[in-house]
Amino acid sequence: AQSVSQHNHHVILSEAASLELGCNYSYGGTVNLFWYVQYPGQHLQLLLKYFSGDPLVKGIKGFEAEFIKSKFSFNLRKPSVQWSDTAEYFCAASNTDKLIFGTGTRLQVFP
Amino acid sequence: DTAVSQTPKYLVTQMGNDKSIKCEQNLGHDTMYWYKQDSKKFLKIMFSYNNKELIINETVPNRFSPKSPDKAHLNLHINSLELGDSAVYFCASSRREGQGGGYTFGSGTRLTVV
Repeated sequence: AQSVSQHNHHVILSEAASLELGCNYSYGGTVNLFWYVQYPGQHLQLLLKYFSGDPLVKGIKGFEAEFIKSKFSFNLRKPSVQWSDTAEYFCAASNTDKLIFGTGTRLQVFP
Repeated sequence: DTAVSQTPKYLVTQMGNDKSIKCEQNLGHDTMYWYKQDSKKFLKIMFSYNNKELIINETVPNRFSPKSPDKAHLNLHINSLELGDSAVYFCASSRREGQGGGYTFGSGTRLTVV
């Protein structure tokens, strides 16, 4: 069955720390991968997406993600987080069917 | 202009009532979706429509009935509301089904059933 898993449920960091959020997917065939962010009380915003090509994808707000096909992973990274990055982060995947989300990771950044 | 707009933003209602949530997109996308986000923030697809045709129905109770009068609109009607229906409902659209050029989400409707 198609699935997306995020193993970090809650991450707490200090400002300027580096961030890596894990995402693994289980899909047959071609898969498109996404990271979305949901700031408190707001809707989902696309951070970045991977369809094909360069497996290192750069997104908005200094985020990047690396697609590693052999590990079925699409981890999100940021070298130096800010307090304003406090939010819920969702990994998601789709093929020609529907967008399936992981369970989300709550990131709290303290000044 | 808002790309995907949902109304209302908040909805508080009593158990047993019937309510509707409306969604409109002005992106020219072919496919629209309803997602439910529960209290633990888990997002699950409920329905998708492609050009007014139902494509996905994810074992949602038949108290939930989507209606798409045209490809720019996808409304969600809920009959006999239950406490467990309390959640945030997100509408989304995409250019082609499954193509995440991608998925644009509305701002959500927070439904509270009391």
